[in-house]
Amino acid sequence: QKEVEQNSGPLSVPEGAIASLNCTYSDRGSQSFFWYRQYSGKSPELIMSIYSNGDKEDGRFTAQLNKASQYVSLLIRDSQPSDSATYLCAVNQGGKLIFGQGTELSVKP
Amino acid sequence: EADIYQTPRYLVIGTGKKITLECSQTMGHDKMYWYQQDPGMELHLIHYSYGVNSTEKGDLSSESTVSRIRTEHFPLTLESARPSHTSQYLCASSEVAGVNEKLFFGSGTQLSVL
Repeated sequence: QKEVEQNSGPLSVPEGAIASLNCTYSDRGSQSFFWYRQYSGKSPELIMSIYSNGDKEDGRFTAQLNKASQYVSLLIRDSQPSDSATYLCAVNQGGKLIFGQGTELSVKP
Repeated sequence: EADIYQTPRYLVIGTGKKITLECSQTMGHDKMYWYQQDPGMELHLIHYSYGVNSTEKGDLSSESTVSRIRTEHFPLTLESARPSHTSQYLCASSEVAGVNEKLFFGSGTQLSVL
């Protein structure tokens, strides 16, 4: 079992829709969770972090964490073509940041 | 914008050569990382460092070494390059702040071993 798992996609949504990205992790002791966005040919950039169960909102982005289910998700409201990228889930495990393989999101105009 | 620099941006080299990928940051961050990423795949942790004279191995460390003599500099060395080393190498740094750790990535080095 991979330490951090994501559906690779691609996930295709129409412009203006809600995009839902999911991630599961194996280490129950993990305390901090991150979502990075990576445009094609570019380096990852942090868009959200979450540490407590529940929802955290930042603009059009909402991160959701359920530690009992070992599940993290990212919702993107009012999706825009500029949101088209690969979204990487990352989990801090024992001082190391472990990444999932990423979910490719395509937002169609 | 993050001030973390990687050189070279692209490198094509023959099998068996020794190479060093450079990474420098001007933010005074203690923690630094090296990741390897193939197209469409996850980032694999190669090495990381908590600060000067600290180096730790990640998942893919067995064929490379790192050093941390200065806070700002974290070079990665492959003693004998092989075609299987062909990949994108990403360096990152972060302020060590417990669980609230934010990574800043460099632009990467695309390595091709012939």
